[in-house]
Amino acid sequence: AQSVTQLGSHVSVSEGALVLLRCNYSSSVPPYLFWYVQYPNQGLQLLLKYTSAATLVKGINGFEAEFKKSETSFHLTKPSAHMSDAAEYFCAVSGGSGNTGKLIFGQGTTLQVKP
Amino acid sequence: GAVVSQHPSRVICKSGTSVKIECRSLDFQATTMFWYRQFPKKSLMLMATSNEGSKATYEQGVEKDKFLINHASLTLSTLTVTSAHPEDSSFYICSAHRPPNTIYFGEGSWLTVV
Repeated sequence: AQSVTQLGSHVSVSEGALVLLRCNYSSSVPPYLFWYVQYPNQGLQLLLKYTSAATLVKGINGFEAEFKKSETSFHLTKPSAHMSDAAEYFCAVSGGSGNTGKLIFGQGTTLQVKP
Repeated sequence: GAVVSQHPSRVICKSGTSVKIECRSLDFQATTMFWYRQFPKKSLMLMATSNEGSKATYEQGVEKDKFLINHASLTLSTLTVTSAHPEDSSFYICSAHRPPNTIYFGEGSWLTVV
């Protein structure tokens, strides 16, 4: 079974500041991990994914995440926040190569970017 | 363009009626699709796994007689909300798995039951 915990339902940063969104997972099998962004009243957009290759994953819009097995974490970072980054972010886990399609989502983190 | 298309994007129906939402994979065959539900300002909850040619697998707590899923072809899965009530109002979104490790989401469907 898999589960995801996103620490902090709401994160607020200033424009230009570091963005750090936390995600911890639990999985009984080697996981695949994903970060999605959702803008108001829209669907999901994939930011990046970890599928057992490189542990540091680079995604779109300057985001990256590092898979740390020892910490069961997959935190999302961006060096410098833009106003356009304000959105809802979801971390998700799937059952690895045996069951990639079925995703379990975290509770979500709302990112607010202040001017 | 979209790889997975969902239709309709928005639908309003009366209480007691049924409404069907379609999820199509446009340029690949998807033996497995997934249906999620999202309440306002909440996360996505997996409802069921739609398997082509066989019965859907529902997550615990999801009423299979309420949410009928049919995966009649390798490119189409449908979710029918039967005897809809206002509490069924929600954002429904589907996804399709393209091996080995790519997941495509549809654009989502807003259902409002009045």
